[in-house]
Amino acid sequence: DAKTTQPTSMDCAEGRAANLPCNHSTISGNEYVYWYRQIHSQGPQYIIHGLKNNETNEMASLIITEDRKSSTLILPHATLRDTAVYYCIVRGGGSQGNLIFGKGTKLSVKP
Amino acid sequence: GAVVSQHPSRVICKSGTSVKIECRSLDFQATTMFWYRQFPKKSLMLMATSNEGSKATYEQGVEKDKFLINHASLTLSTLTVTSAHPEDSSFYICSAGDGKMATDTQYFGPGTRLTVL
Repeated sequence: DAKTTQPTSMDCAEGRAANLPCNHSTISGNEYVYWYRQIHSQGPQYIIHGLKNNETNEMASLIITEDRKSSTLILPHATLRDTAVYYCIVRGGGSQGNLIFGKGTKLSVKP
Repeated sequence: GAVVSQHPSRVICKSGTSVKIECRSLDFQATTMFWYRQFPKKSLMLMATSNEGSKATYEQGVEKDKFLINHASLTLSTLTVTSAHPEDSSFYICSAGDGKMATDTQYFGPGTRLTVL
């Protein structure tokens, strides 16, 4: 599975959009980009995933560059409850490839 | 949808005893379930993958005789930590794949905090 690079930490003001970047320059054609987040002392929460096209759901939007070497997770209106560690993971489709968690980005939403 | 539960949420046991942790997919059937371990201030580490009706596949360095995994049904997997020692104290998290052919997204349980005295 391709490796990802994320900033160690980011701050965001409450109510503003949080844009979390992820680099995955070695991603291969059949690998998906997944985003999870982990709030302290809880299990990871699935956010969104995508292959090529941009995706949006009730939690977030995922913007994938045309060359698929990087992506951005957007939380449109961050709240204090969005404070968590966000993991960007590249994984093969179907049951191919396990989720390999890196260190993620610690997002702190401040009032 | 896609809810995974774990029981218990916390357990404290004496050294040498065995502890069983249950992982259930509540609203979907999971052919594959996964067990992770997370030490303080560290990221999740995959321990093993279990498929319903077959033996689990363990990651390198994980003792299969110490961490017994049973996946007897499409909604239940159990992890038994045998002869637990203080170094086994950790946060144990399971996940279940939703089985959708294209992506098989994993959904995680809330975790079990194990403390071995």
